[in-house]
Amino acid sequence: DTAVSQTPKYLVTQMGNDKSIKCEQNLGHDTMYWYKQDSKKFLKIMFSYNNKELIINETVPNRFSPKSPDKAHLNLHINSLELGDSAVYFCASSQAPSGSGYGYTFGSGTRLTVV
Amino acid sequence: AQSVTQPDIHITVSEGASLELRCNYSYGATPYLFWYVQSPGQGLQLLLKYFSGDTLVQGIKGFEAEFKRSQSSFNLRKPSVHWSDAAEYFCAAYNYGQNFVFGPGTRLSVLP
Repeated sequence: DTAVSQTPKYLVTQMGNDKSIKCEQNLGHDTMYWYKQDSKKFLKIMFSYNNKELIINETVPNRFSPKSPDKAHLNLHINSLELGDSAVYFCASSQAPSGSGYGYTFGSGTRLTVV
Repeated sequence: AQSVTQPDIHITVSEGASLELRCNYSYGATPYLFWYVQSPGQGLQLLLKYFSGDTLVQGIKGFEAEFKRSQSSFNLRKPSVHWSDAAEYFCAAYNYGQNFVFGPGTRLSVLP
């Protein structure tokens, strides 16, 4: 009964490949997010989706594209992977845009390694 | 610009000792404030949050945090640390209509 689940947990791939990370939440939340955590543990928001509409895009390269088939899912597709894309990617959800006063519920992360 | 700072990158304490992790925020108005914990290889778990009212907030796992408006601080405390508390701790803030902002994190190591 995991609240926010993302797959895969680990992903190792070669430069230039295209990959996807999936995220699902069963909390009935309105908004979902993708965060990138770099090697220094810094968390940076990439995208958020509210009712199938993209409401944040924080200067992320267009090689990254979020796809939300429904309110419970927000997948992250990455084209032409680069070494600098190596990081841990976290999915999260909240009851309202930007989390408001409720905070976020996070998935356990996907560690992406590009070789 | 809104920001959240955590002055300590890494703190080491002995098991059973008390703990205080510092967090300061820079916002035009008092934001909602949060503390998250990230255990190794895990996602982030919400420890506690402050909206308004009582400035001392109780959270899970025996943690508490105190909001001090005069110091723009929201420090996390625990009276007696357990080895399982070793993790990365993130302070975060949100103001209505703006992005949720995380601090850079403080890594806690616990000595046996």
